[in-house]
Amino acid sequence: AQTVTQSQPEMSVQEAETVTLSCTYDTSENNYYLFWYKQPPSRQMILVIRQEAYKQQNATENRFSVNFQKAAKSFSLKISDSQLGDTAMYFCAFMKWTSGSRLTFGEGTQLTVNP
Amino acid sequence: NAGVTQTPKFQVLKTGQSMTLQCAQDMNHEYMSWYRQDPGMGLRLIHYSVGAGITDQGEVPNGYNVSRSTTEDFPLRLLSAAPSQTSVYFCASRILSGGASYEQYFGPGTRLTVT
Repeated sequence: AQTVTQSQPEMSVQEAETVTLSCTYDTSENNYYLFWYKQPPSRQMILVIRQEAYKQQNATENRFSVNFQKAAKSFSLKISDSQLGDTAMYFCAFMKWTSGSRLTFGEGTQLTVNP
Repeated sequence: NAGVTQTPKFQVLKTGQSMTLQCAQDMNHEYMSWYRQDPGMGLRLIHYSVGAGITDQGEVPNGYNVSRSTTEDFPLRLLSAAPSQTSVYFCASRILSGGASYEQYFGPGTRLTVT
């Protein structure tokens, strides 16, 4: 079974600064997907960024980028130029590369962006 | 598209009562799933379905039933509510295989309190 671990229950950052959220996972699979989801106070789950394990290049989406280290089974999220609207719970998630696969979530990191 | 819809948004039950959480999607997704979210535990999979007439158990299925008679609907039934089922419940859907990179679309969630 796959496990996903987020070791930082809470983090805070000043507006406009950069913050990195950590995620490690355990799997014996070679092909899989990794995701970061954001959950603001509205409770809606929003996909932030995804990474296919076969791609060596790290995914980026505007101010969000990842550092994917396949050998180390590490998948951190970097948020640049933090904004107040980035305040949310962030979840790292793993999914095997087969149809019907389930999504396995980490425990979450509560990020607060301070003005 | 309305995406994934869930009803109700909030519900209070007494111990022993039964109820059904409704979930519907209009994206013709084959894969649908139910999660519960508890503090410090991320989202845990309750049940999932890979198509009409096909359901299977996730991590925490006890006390819950599901059925999938149509592609669009995937209701979750609580048979005899217990305080341990106090949680926020999310329904999600995605394509089963091929095409896009398996992004999962979430409903707005149902906050359930069992007293």
